[in-house]
Amino acid sequence: AQKVTQAQTEISVVEKEDVTLDCVYETRDTTYYLFWYKQPPSGELVFLIRRNSFDEQNEISGRYSWNFQKSTSSFNFTITASQVVDSAVYFCALSLIPGTSGSRLTFGEGTQLTVNP
Amino acid sequence: DAMVIQNPRYQVTQFGKPVTLSCSQTLNHNVMYWYQQKSSQAPKLLFHYYDKDFNNEADTPDNFQSRRPNTSFCFLDIRSPGLGDAAMYLCATSINSAGYEQYFGPGTRLTVT
Repeated sequence: AQKVTQAQTEISVVEKEDVTLDCVYETRDTTYYLFWYKQPPSGELVFLIRRNSFDEQNEISGRYSWNFQKSTSSFNFTITASQVVDSAVYFCALSLIPGTSGSRLTFGEGTQLTVNP
Repeated sequence: DAMVIQNPRYQVTQFGKPVTLSCSQTLNHNVMYWYQQKSSQAPKLLFHYYDKDFNNEADTPDNFQSRRPNTSFCFLDIRSPGLGDAAMYLCATSINSAGYEQYFGPGTRLTVT
């Protein structure tokens, strides 16, 4: 069975600080996909990034960057120069290719990020 | 803009009174999902449709049913809501099931009185 662990339940930072959200996953499959979603107070989950298990290249999108390391089974998310609008719950998730496990997302428990002005 | 729409955003129902939540999408995606999310928890998948094929999760209670009459619409029926069914219900879509990202609607918050 697969599992996603987000050890940080809550993080509080001051605006303009950099912050890294940790994600560690477990799976026996060699092919899988990793995701990050943002859930602001409004409730809607917003897709941020998808990464497949064969692509370990780090990615940067504006103030967001992701570090994928298969050797440590981690897919960490860094926000540079955080802003108040970044305040949300962030979920890391894992999906396997269709098979006996279907197409479900296995979510971590989420990290509540609060950015204070 | 293409999107996932859920109605209503807030629903209050009485204990044991059937309720239906609706979801529609303009993305023309093949797969539609229903999740239940309770406070401070991760979303929990209830079931999903790949086109017309229904896939139920093993631990989804029989009290929860779903219908997908066409590509655009999907409904969640709760036959006899209990107090424990109060939650946010999220609908999502994906173009395919093979590891593609899911796009979520704004959710329906269900209160059971």
